Amino acid sequence: AQSVTQLDSHVSVSEGTPVLLRCNYSSSYSPSLFWYVQHPNKGLQLLLKYTSAATLVKGINGFEAEFKKSETSFHLTKPSAHMSDAAEYFCVVSDRGTYKYIFGTGTRLKVLA
Amino acid sequence: EAQVTQNPRYLITVTGKKLTVTCSQNMNHEYMSWYRQDPGLGLRQIYYSMNVEVTDKGDVPEGYKVSRKEKRNFPLILESPSPNQTSLYFCASSLSKTLANTGELFFGEGSRLTVL
Repeated sequence: AQSVTQLDSHVSVSEGTPVLLRCNYSSSYSPSLFWYVQHPNKGLQLLLKYTSAATLVKGINGFEAEFKKSETSFHLTKPSAHMSDAAEYFCVVSDRGTYKYIFGTGTRLKVLA
Repeated sequence: EAQVTQNPRYLITVTGKKLTVTCSQNMNHEYMSWYRQDPGLGLRQIYYSMNVEVTDKGDVPEGYKVSRKEKRNFPLILESPSPNQTSLYFCASSLSKTLANTGELFFGEGSRLTVL
């Protein structure tokens, strides 16, 4: 069975400091993993996806995530936060061969000036 | 422009009055799905469709119906809306999942529904 846990519901960072948003997953099969971002009153936009080709995945706007099978984690990082990064972030898991997408409950990122 | 279009974007209705939220995609995607987003719960899947005339229940299907008569359209029907269906709804689509394609979802802008 699939599940995903986002360990922090809210994260606050100062502009220019690193961002870490944590995600742990459970999957019966080889999973597809995604991070999506949702800005206020907007739809969800794909930040990056894990395709099994490489464990370190680079996405848009300087974000990256590392797939760690032994830890069942897919944490999202960015070296230096920008004010425009303030949004809600969702970690998503989907087992290969299925069409079920399981969303985490989201992490709201606040960036302080 | 490749997109998923939902209508209406905002709707206030009353208990029991049937309504339909439309969803259309222009990317020739086989897979389409509906989600509802509620504070603290993330997005939960309502229904999904793997192709024309093929639909299946997600995690929270009660009180909803869908149909997939054409590849591009996947309307969400609330036959008798109730206040607990007040939520933000998203439609999404994806290419079929294959070894080469991980099936990333493309989302519409959302439809905010209030049932009084």
